[in-house]
Amino acid sequence: GAVVSQHPSRVICKSGTSVKIECRSLDFQATTMFWYRQFPKQSLMLMATSNEGSKATYEQGVEKDKFLINHASLTLSTLTVTSAHPEDSSFYICSASAAGGPSGELFFGEGSRLTVL
Amino acid sequence: SQKIEQNSEALNIQEGKTATLTCNYTNYSPAYLQWYRQDPGRGPVFLLLIRENEKEKRKERLKVTFDTTLKQSLFHITASQPADSATYLCALDRGSYIPTFGRGTSLIVHP
Repeated sequence: GAVVSQHPSRVICKSGTSVKIECRSLDFQATTMFWYRQFPKQSLMLMATSNEGSKATYEQGVEKDKFLINHASLTLSTLTVTSAHPEDSSFYICSASAAGGPSGELFFGEGSRLTVL
Repeated sequence: SQKIEQNSEALNIQEGKTATLTCNYTNYSPAYLQWYRQDPGRGPVFLLLIRENEKEKRKERLKVTFDTTLKQSLFHITASQPADSATYLCALDRGSYIPTFGRGTSLIVHP
């Protein structure tokens, strides 16, 4: 199946710094990419939907200035957590849907564990 | 409000038995429903998709049923193996290709 690569898998940073997470579709073009966060034993919570070349659509309650999303190409989307605080510590996962691919199926990255000290 | 309910308690079964996981939903009219597997510290992996006009879907040892009257999907793993131990998520979509995920149910298969 299609492969989505997410990097870094783990990151530890100090409070107040910014962290960038990359999500790449390796063998297909992703017209749409999604960013989720997941707390332990909780469901995936959609943060935003990004389409290549346009601004991301954020879910209610997600601060767009806090979580900057850039979908610069059909194979790369980035999530930047700005001025991170301990409450931003979570598991962040991206997913992508393929252009012209099977409808609905999402391909997920491996996730990025962010720990803010 | 819309709800997707999956049993929060882990399902423990013996190797070789059939595991059955349940996904119930309310206030939702999904165009299709998906099941994903998630291992600890990893992203989910797609398993099966079933559409609203389909009653059943199979893939190797996996079977999914979809009852839009009961608003329920059942996910079966036959001849279960310890390697099947994971959390299984159901996800519902109205057709917008932006699914909403349930909390998942943990399956533990004992050798």
